[in-house]
Amino acid sequence: GAVVSQHPSWVICKSGTSVKIECRSLDFQATTMFWYRQFPKQSLMLMATSNEGSKATYEQGVEKDKFLINHASLTLSTLTVTSAHPEDSSFYICSAGEGSSSGNTIYFGEGSWLTVV
Amino acid sequence: GQNIDQPTEMTATEGAIVQINCTYQTSGFNGLFWYQQHAGEAPTFLSYNVLDGLEEKGRFSSFLSRSKGYSYLLLKELQMKDSASYLCAVRDGTSGTYKYIFGTGTRLKVLA
Repeated sequence: GAVVSQHPSWVICKSGTSVKIECRSLDFQATTMFWYRQFPKQSLMLMATSNEGSKATYEQGVEKDKFLINHASLTLSTLTVTSAHPEDSSFYICSAGEGSSSGNTIYFGEGSWLTVV
Repeated sequence: GQNIDQPTEMTATEGAIVQINCTYQTSGFNGLFWYQQHAGEAPTFLSYNVLDGLEEKGRFSSFLSRSKGYSYLLLKELQMKDSASYLCAVRDGTSGTYKYIFGTGTRLKVLA
């Protein structure tokens, strides 16, 4: 399957600071990437759909000014958690698919554990 | 909107067969996916159904009935390493682009 890389795997930041998470498709071009967050023992919650060259589409209840998404190229999307608070501590995970064909699945990055202290 | 339901937890014995059910409601159905996720790790793709029927991949099979909004994942010859969460996800195309909505996940515990 396709390879999606996410960085960093672990990050600890102070309350009030911002942290950036990168998601890269290593062996294919991804016009669309998805950002999820997951709390312990819960399922993946879609935060936003990131489209290359355009603004991200955020799910209801997700603050776009707090979770900044940039998809500047076909292989890179970034999620920046701004003014982080302890309640933002979570597992953030991206996924990407090989194009928009209905026959394609999505592949996940390794995920990023964010701890805000 | 979308609604995807799975049992929260299941327990089975090593070597047995287990069926994990998933029901869904969505207006723009465009495929159903099953993923396996071990604790603290990213989900890995298991199977995909877009048409009705059974898809078999080794020890794993997935079934879909679009008219009933129902799918199941069948795991045969269970192994201890199969203890994980199994996530049912629906691809929805109502927004013009596809997005993947996940169910709550089923935590499977395989006992020796």
